[in-house]
Amino acid sequence: AQSVSQHNHHVILSEAASLELGCNYSYGGTVNLFWYVQYPGQHLQLLLKYFSGDPLVKGIKGFEAEFIKSKFSFNLRKPSVQWSDTAEYFCAVHENRDDKIIFGKGTRLHILP
Amino acid sequence: GAGVSQSPRYKVAKRGQDVALRCDPISGHVSLFWYQQALGQGPEFLTYFQNEAQLDKSGLPSDRFFAERPEGSVSTLKIQRTQQEDSAVYLCASSLRPGGTQPQHFGDGTRLSIL
Repeated sequence: AQSVSQHNHHVILSEAASLELGCNYSYGGTVNLFWYVQYPGQHLQLLLKYFSGDPLVKGIKGFEAEFIKSKFSFNLRKPSVQWSDTAEYFCAVHENRDDKIIFGKGTRLHILP
Repeated sequence: GAGVSQSPRYKVAKRGQDVALRCDPISGHVSLFWYQQALGQGPEFLTYFQNEAQLDKSGLPSDRFFAERPEGSVSTLKIQRTQQEDSAVYLCASSLRPGGTQPQHFGDGTRLSIL
């Protein structure tokens, strides 16, 4: 079955620490990849996306993600986190032959001031 | 702003009651999705509309769940004879055009609690 795995359910970091959130997917075909973020009390919003081209994509607020096809991975990174990055982060995958997007279970990130 | 609007924000119902959840997508958006998000989980796909056509309902968990979008804009998700396991946040999302390259814009969701 199609699946998206996020390795860390809950991450706690201090401000200025570096961040990497893991995401692996199970599809073998062409995929589009997304990271969505949900800040406390807000709706899900798009952080960044990968469709084709440069496998290193940059999103809003200093986030970036790298698509490694051989590892079926799309890990999210930020060199130096801020308290305002406290949120839940969801990796999502769309397979080109389908309509729907499959989400991971999410990683809750808590940044200590 | 003109985002995706869902109502009600919160709904409490007794087991066995029917509920209806409404989604107003962004004006002009062709695609509309419904998701169910249980506590501690990511959104799980329920169904997809392209204009008024329901193209995929493979995620609906049972025949108690029914969705419609009769005029290709507002959509309603109906759950009949609710059960406790239906308690979740129901999210609606819309995108401008079909296809997985289109970002989805999410509403705030309806938190459904079944007593």
